Amino acid sequence: EAGVTQFPSHSVIEKGQTVTLRCDPISGHDNLYWYRRVMGKEIKFLLHFVKESKQDESGMPNNRFLAERTGGTYSTLKVQPAELEDSGVYFCASSLGLAGTQETQYFGPGTRLLVL
Amino acid sequence: GDSVTQMEGPVTLSEEAFLTINCTYTATGYPSLFWYVQYPGEGLQLLLKATKADDKGSNKGFEATYRKETTSFHLEKGSVQVSDSAVYFCALSGGGSYIPTFGRGTSLIVHP
Repeated sequence: EAGVTQFPSHSVIEKGQTVTLRCDPISGHDNLYWYRRVMGKEIKFLLHFVKESKQDESGMPNNRFLAERTGGTYSTLKVQPAELEDSGVYFCASSLGLAGTQETQYFGPGTRLLVL
Repeated sequence: GDSVTQMEGPVTLSEEAFLTINCTYTATGYPSLFWYVQYPGEGLQLLLKATKADDKGSNKGFEATYRKETTSFHLEKGSVQVSDSAVYFCALSGGGSYIPTFGRGTSLIVHP
Protein backbone atom coordinates (compact mmCIF):
# COMPACT_ATOMS: atom_id res chain seq x y z
CA GLU A 1 0.00 0.00 0.00
CA ALA A 2 1.37 3.39 -0.98
CA GLY A 3 2.06 5.82 1.81
CA VAL A 4 1.47 9.54 1.91
CA THR A 5 3.25 11.20 -0.98
CA GLN A 6 4.18 14.84 -1.43
CA PHE A 7 5.30 16.81 -4.43
CA PRO A 8 7.69 18.43 -5.02
CA SER A 9 10.31 17.18 -2.62
CA HIS A 10 12.17 20.48 -2.86
CA SER A 11 11.27 23.93 -4.13
CA VAL A 12 13.40 27.04 -4.36
CA ILE A 13 11.59 30.25 -5.28
CA GLU A 14 12.10 33.97 -5.00
CA LYS A 15 10.24 36.20 -2.61
CA GLY A 16 6.96 37.29 -4.16
CA GLN A 17 6.51 34.21 -6.29
CA THR A 18 3.82 31.59 -5.91
CA VAL A 19 4.35 27.97 -4.97
CA THR A 20 1.86 25.11 -4.80
CA LEU A 21 2.55 22.02 -2.76
CA ARG A 22 0.65 18.81 -3.27
CA CYS A 23 -0.19 15.97 -0.94
CA ASP A 24 -1.68 12.60 -1.82
CA PRO A 25 -2.93 10.84 1.29
CA ILE A 26 -3.27 7.13 1.77
CA SER A 27 -6.23 5.92 -0.23
CA GLY A 28 -9.41 5.93 1.84
CA HIS A 29 -8.12 8.28 4.51
CA ASP A 30 -10.73 10.96 5.11
CA ASN A 31 -8.51 13.01 7.41
CA LEU A 32 -5.67 15.04 5.98
CA TYR A 33 -3.38 17.40 7.90
CA TRP A 34 -0.77 19.96 6.96
CA TYR A 35 2.15 20.85 9.23
CA ARG A 36 5.21 23.04 8.88
CA ARG A 37 8.64 22.90 10.44
CA VAL A 38 10.70 26.04 10.25
CA MET A 39 14.44 25.36 10.44
CA GLY A 40 15.36 23.86 13.79
CA LYS A 41 12.02 24.59 15.39
CA GLU A 42 8.91 22.64 16.31
CA ILE A 43 6.61 21.03 13.81
CA LYS A 44 3.54 23.26 13.83
CA PHE A 45 0.01 22.34 12.82
CA LEU A 46 -1.46 24.31 9.93
CA LEU A 47 -4.85 22.79 9.15
CA HIS A 48 -7.00 19.69 9.03
CA PHE A 49 -9.41 18.45 6.36
CA VAL A 50 -12.14 15.90 6.81
CA LYS A 51 -12.85 14.81 3.27
CA GLU A 52 -13.13 18.10 1.35
CA SER A 53 -14.10 20.26 4.34
CA LYS A 54 -11.74 22.28 6.49
CA GLN A 55 -12.23 21.02 10.03
CA ASP A 56 -9.63 23.21 11.69
CA GLU A 57 -7.50 25.89 10.08
CA SER A 58 -6.39 27.59 13.26
CA GLY A 59 -2.72 27.09 12.45
CA MET A 60 -2.70 28.85 9.10
CA PRO A 61 -0.30 31.78 9.53
CA ASN A 62 -2.03 34.32 7.30
CA ASN A 63 -4.12 34.78 4.17
CA ARG A 64 -1.17 34.20 1.88
CA PHE A 65 -1.73 30.49 2.49
CA LEU A 66 -4.59 28.71 0.76
CA ALA A 67 -5.32 25.02 1.17
CA GLU A 68 -7.78 23.03 -0.87
CA ARG A 69 -8.93 19.46 -1.07
CA THR A 70 -11.36 19.27 -3.93
CA GLY A 71 -13.11 15.93 -4.15
CA GLY A 72 -11.72 14.85 -0.82
CA THR A 73 -8.68 13.12 -2.28
CA TYR A 74 -5.41 14.98 -2.77
CA SER A 75 -4.76 18.39 -1.26
CA THR A 76 -2.83 21.44 -2.36
CA LEU A 77 -1.28 24.19 -0.28
CA LYS A 78 -0.59 27.39 -2.15
CA VAL A 79 1.59 30.20 -0.86
CA GLN A 80 1.06 33.47 -2.68
CA PRO A 81 3.07 35.65 -2.52
CA ALA A 82 5.84 33.78 -0.75
CA GLU A 83 7.91 35.55 1.91
CA LEU A 84 11.31 34.66 3.35
CA GLU A 85 9.79 33.42 6.62
CA ASP A 86 7.75 30.82 4.73
CA SER A 87 10.88 28.74 4.23
CA GLY A 88 10.74 25.39 5.95
CA VAL A 89 9.60 21.82 5.54
CA TYR A 90 5.91 21.27 4.91
CA PHE A 91 4.57 17.92 6.02
CA CYS A 92 1.32 16.31 5.12
CA ALA A 93 -0.27 13.51 7.12
CA SER A 94 -3.40 11.43 6.82
CA SER A 95 -5.44 9.17 9.04
CA LEU A 96 -8.44 6.95 8.59
CA GLY A 97 -10.31 8.29 11.60
CA LEU A 98 -9.71 11.35 13.69
CA ALA A 99 -6.09 11.42 14.87
CA GLY A 100 -5.55 10.85 18.54
CA THR A 101 -4.51 8.22 21.00
CA GLN A 102 -6.04 5.32 19.10
CA GLU A 103 -5.66 6.57 15.56
CA THR A 104 -2.25 6.95 13.96
CA GLN A 105 -1.34 9.73 11.57
CA TYR A 106 0.82 8.68 8.62
CA PHE A 107 3.22 11.34 7.47
CA GLY A 108 4.64 12.10 4.08
CA PRO A 109 8.36 12.86 3.53
CA GLY A 110 7.73 16.59 3.37
CA THR A 111 8.39 19.35 0.87
CA ARG A 112 11.42 21.46 1.60
CA LEU A 113 10.65 25.06 0.60
CA LEU A 114 13.31 27.73 0.36
CA VAL A 115 12.30 31.31 -0.35
CA LEU A 116 15.16 33.55 -1.43
CA GLY B 1 -0.50 26.32 26.19
CA ASP B 2 0.94 22.88 25.80
CA SER B 3 4.62 22.57 24.99
CA VAL B 4 7.32 19.97 24.57
CA THR B 5 11.00 20.51 25.25
CA GLN B 6 13.61 18.06 24.06
CA MET B 7 17.36 18.10 24.20
CA GLU B 8 19.20 19.81 21.43
CA GLY B 9 21.23 17.80 19.03
CA PRO B 10 22.92 16.50 17.23
CA VAL B 11 23.60 13.55 19.48
CA THR B 12 26.59 11.63 18.14
CA LEU B 13 27.26 8.11 19.37
CA SER B 14 29.27 5.08 18.42
CA GLU B 15 27.49 1.88 17.49
CA GLU B 16 26.34 -0.15 20.52
CA ALA B 17 26.40 2.88 22.81
CA PHE B 18 23.53 3.65 25.18
CA LEU B 19 21.11 6.33 24.05
CA THR B 20 19.03 8.78 26.04
CA ILE B 21 17.11 11.66 24.48
CA ASN B 22 15.43 13.81 27.09
CA CYS B 23 11.90 15.09 26.70
CA THR B 24 9.83 17.11 29.16
CA TYR B 25 6.40 18.56 28.64
CA THR B 26 3.94 21.11 29.91
CA ALA B 27 0.26 20.32 29.48
CA THR B 28 -3.11 20.67 31.11
CA GLY B 29 -4.85 17.48 32.06
CA TYR B 30 -3.44 14.11 31.19
CA PRO B 31 -1.98 14.05 27.70
CA SER B 32 -0.85 11.09 25.68
CA LEU B 33 2.85 11.11 24.85
CA PHE B 34 4.58 10.02 21.66
CA TRP B 35 7.96 9.60 20.06
CA TYR B 36 8.15 9.94 16.28
CA VAL B 37 11.18 9.16 14.14
CA GLN B 38 12.11 10.57 10.76
CA TYR B 39 14.67 8.60 8.80
CA PRO B 40 16.51 10.41 6.00
CA GLY B 41 14.24 11.04 3.01
CA GLU B 42 11.17 9.62 4.72
CA GLY B 43 8.14 10.91 6.60
CA LEU B 44 7.67 10.86 10.35
CA GLN B 45 6.76 7.47 11.76
CA LEU B 46 5.23 6.79 15.13
CA LEU B 47 7.90 5.00 17.14
CA LEU B 48 6.11 4.47 20.44
CA LYS B 49 3.49 5.99 22.68
CA ALA B 50 2.13 5.99 26.23
CA THR B 51 -1.33 7.07 27.23
CA LYS B 52 -1.20 7.29 31.02
CA ALA B 53 1.19 7.77 33.90
CA ASP B 54 3.76 5.01 34.45
CA ASP B 55 2.98 3.42 31.08
CA LYS B 56 6.03 2.30 29.16
CA GLY B 57 6.00 2.49 25.39
CA SER B 58 8.45 0.30 23.49
CA ASN B 59 9.33 -0.55 19.92
CA LYS B 60 12.44 -1.62 17.98
CA GLY B 61 14.49 -1.71 21.18
CA PHE B 62 13.51 1.84 22.14
CA GLU B 63 11.66 2.55 25.38
CA ALA B 64 10.11 5.56 27.09
CA THR B 65 8.22 5.76 30.38
CA TYR B 66 5.48 8.31 31.06
CA ARG B 67 6.60 10.06 34.27
CA LYS B 68 3.88 12.34 35.53
CA GLU B 69 5.79 13.46 38.62
CA THR B 70 8.67 14.79 36.52
CA THR B 71 6.55 15.54 33.40
CA SER B 72 9.05 13.59 31.33
CA PHE B 73 9.09 10.99 28.59
CA HIS B 74 12.76 10.27 27.92
CA LEU B 75 13.66 7.99 25.03
CA GLU B 76 16.22 5.25 25.67
CA LYS B 77 17.88 2.42 23.80
CA GLY B 78 20.47 0.10 25.23
CA SER B 79 22.57 -0.40 22.09
CA VAL B 80 22.18 1.87 19.08
CA GLN B 81 22.90 0.87 15.50
CA VAL B 82 23.97 2.93 12.51
CA SER B 83 20.47 2.41 11.11
CA ASP B 84 19.03 4.33 14.08
CA SER B 85 20.49 7.55 12.70
CA ALA B 86 17.47 9.81 12.28
CA VAL B 87 15.64 12.79 13.76
CA TYR B 88 13.52 11.98 16.81
CA PHE B 89 10.50 14.08 17.80
CA CYS B 90 8.76 14.01 21.15
CA ALA B 91 5.08 14.97 21.04
CA LEU B 92 1.93 15.09 23.12
CA SER B 93 -1.77 15.29 22.48
CA GLY B 94 -4.75 15.64 24.72
CA GLY B 95 -6.69 18.15 26.73
CA GLY B 96 -9.44 17.95 24.16
CA SER B 97 -7.15 18.47 21.19
CA TYR B 98 -6.32 15.63 18.83
CA ILE B 99 -3.59 17.65 17.14
CA PRO B 100 -0.14 16.72 18.47
CA THR B 101 2.22 19.31 19.91
CA PHE B 102 5.76 18.53 18.81
CA GLY B 103 9.18 19.28 20.21
CA ARG B 104 11.97 20.67 18.05
CA GLY B 105 13.43 17.30 17.18
CA THR B 106 16.78 15.77 18.09
CA SER B 107 19.13 14.53 15.41
CA LEU B 108 20.91 11.27 16.23
CA ILE B 109 24.04 10.28 14.36
CA VAL B 110 25.46 6.82 15.00
CA HIS B 111 28.97 6.04 13.76
CA PRO B 112 30.18 2.50 13.02
